[in-house]
Amino acid sequence: NAGVTQTPKFRVLKTGQSMTLLCAQDMNHEYMYWYRQDPGMGLRLIHYSVGEGTTAKGEVPDGYNVSRLKKQNFLLGLESAAPSQTSVYFCASTKPRLAGGTGELFFGEGSRLTVL
Amino acid sequence: TQLLEQSPQFLSIQEGENLTVYCNSSSVFSSLQWYRQEPGEGPVLLVTVVTGGEVKKLKRLTFQFGDARKDSSLHITAAQPGDTGLYLCAGPPNSGGYQKVTFGIGTKLQVIP
Repeated sequence: NAGVTQTPKFRVLKTGQSMTLLCAQDMNHEYMYWYRQDPGMGLRLIHYSVGEGTTAKGEVPDGYNVSRLKKQNFLLGLESAAPSQTSVYFCASTKPRLAGGTGELFFGEGSRLTVL
Repeated sequence: TQLLEQSPQFLSIQEGENLTVYCNSSSVFSSLQWYRQEPGEGPVLLVTVVTGGEVKKLKRLTFQFGDARKDSSLHITAAQPGDTGLYLCAGPPNSGGYQKVTFGIGTKLQVIP
């Protein structure tokens, strides 16, 4: 069972470069999220999506863009990477209670990004 | 943003000891979740508490949701090295929607054999 898959798992970028993180889920979940995890800061929500074609800002959206063109995929883009974006990024998905789900978030294994 | 504060942030104990970690907020949550995260992996759900005053048990782990639904605790009895990990509490806003799920900083637990 694949669940939530993130690619790539590791990446090193130079300041100013761009990149895209891909999240794919095979559970037909409506909601998808991108979090970043930093020491002493916990998991902070970057952007989220409640369905195909819709996205919204979370707590720390600056410097990131997202797209959800297909229900199973949620892309996180960095247009011009900065050292402050060095972090571990986690994608998650859930089936909301209103749709008969439990609200449990299923996470990917994380993508470790270093910006030099 | 509804803040969830966890304490302690770090805990190192000997195998067999008991411990309690706390998750507190000034805001009301419709439910609270507890996750455990191991190094190099994403968090995995342990339990969801929904009703104020609710107590749930998962083997040696006991979870409680405060009566006012502003706080929760996790008690581990006779801790084992396999309990080592980062424990995170999380919750949706009081409106009940899971569009924005907020996480606490976490409690990093180390159980020494």
